[in-house]
Amino acid sequence: KQEVTQIPAALSVPEGENLVLNCSFTDSAIYNLQWFRQDPGKGLTSLLLIQSSQREQTSGRLNASLDKSSGRSTLYIAASQPGDSATYLCAVGAAGNKLTFGGGTRVLVKP
Amino acid sequence: DTEVTQTPKHLVMGMTNKKSLKCEQHMGHRAMYWYKQKAKKPPELMFVYSYEKLSINESVPSRFSPECPNSSLLNLHLHALQPEDSALYLCASSHPGRNTEAFFGQGTRLTVV
Repeated sequence: KQEVTQIPAALSVPEGENLVLNCSFTDSAIYNLQWFRQDPGKGLTSLLLIQSSQREQTSGRLNASLDKSSGRSTLYIAASQPGDSATYLCAVGAAGNKLTFGGGTRVLVKP
Repeated sequence: DTEVTQTPKHLVMGMTNKKSLKCEQHMGHRAMYWYKQKAKKPPELMFVYSYEKLSINESVPSRFSPECPNSSLLNLHLHALQPEDSALYLCASSHPGRNTEAFFGQGTRLTVV
């Protein structure tokens, strides 16, 4: 059974600092990995999708890497802003279009 | 348009009530999903519909009954719920297949009293 872990569970940084969020998974037989942002009480906003054949994906200040063999993905957010404060979730996609989520990292960017 | 619309945004229901949650998308996605999210926990998959047919039921109690009347709509019918069923219910959609991005709605906050 796939297990997805995100460490740390919470992170607080001053504005302008780069953010590094980690995601690990136990079963490397994945189709893709997706990073989401969730604001309190709200739905999920898709940030990046990395296909299983890709090593990296970039969108603006966001960069995500994927190392399938070691079961790891990292989300980098450059030059953090207070508006980046949210919970970030990684989810591993597998057969049947099933997404298995990590527990999330709660990020606070202090002005 | 990458929007998944869920209604209502909030719902309070008694344990003897029958209610329905609705989800709509117009992205041409043929896979639609229901997830349940408890406070400070990650979303957990409940149901997957692929081409309007139920393909995955994650051993969800029968008091939750999904329905996919057409390729744009997904419903979740609720009956005789328990207080522990109170949660944020999220709908998502994607193209079926290996490398497709899932898009989520804003959720319905359900409280069972």
